[in-house]
Amino acid sequence: DAGVTQSPTHLIKTRGQQVTLRCSPKSGHDTVSWYQQALGQGPQFIFQYYEEEERQRGNFPDRFSGHQFPNYSSELNVNALLLGDSALYLCASSLGTTQFFGPGTRLTVL
Amino acid sequence: KQEVTQIPAALSVPEGENLVLNCSFTDSAIYNLQWFRQDPGKGLTSLLLIQSSQREQTSGRLNASLDKSSGRSTLYIAASQPGDSATYLCAVKTNQAGTALIFGKGTTLSVSS
Repeated sequence: DAGVTQSPTHLIKTRGQQVTLRCSPKSGHDTVSWYQQALGQGPQFIFQYYEEEERQRGNFPDRFSGHQFPNYSSELNVNALLLGDSALYLCASSLGTTQFFGPGTRLTVL
Repeated sequence: KQEVTQIPAALSVPEGENLVLNCSFTDSAIYNLQWFRQDPGKGLTSLLLIQSSQREQTSGRLNASLDKSSGRSTLYIAASQPGDSATYLCAVKTNQAGTALIFGKGTTLSVSS
């Protein structure tokens, strides 16, 4: 079992651009959650997808959107990037209550 | 609104020392509490999960306790090793249906040989 995988590992964008991050859940997991972790901070919940629908959303603007595919993989899209969007983006998958985290995507906005 | 605080923010100890990391939360109505380890620039590794009905969990040299009524949890690390150097994060889950985790900022531990 490969566990939770995320791509790309690192990404550099400029302000105003758009970015798409990808996550493949652990085998058999049907729920994907996304978190943003700024430097020196704990992860902050962005949203969660279950059965291809957004089930819960944290306090993030509409510039942050997502999608879940029939195979349970997920994408996180961020539009109109700001410098403050620079962070480690973590994906977590679950079947039930325990979440398993991927290695993250490091996004740098210049 | 649930808030999670971890003290201290950083800790340096010599190898072999026993140590305690602290986590507090403002709303005692939690579903469970989880301790994670994070190496620099990496994802999170779950160490211990304590259900709201439990008082403690143990795994090897790690022991986590939970006191819901006082809104506190501790992670005890016995006989620390340089390989234990990492950031330790505490997270609470407030209910079963909503599975978002609420994290503290973490304690960065450095164990010197």
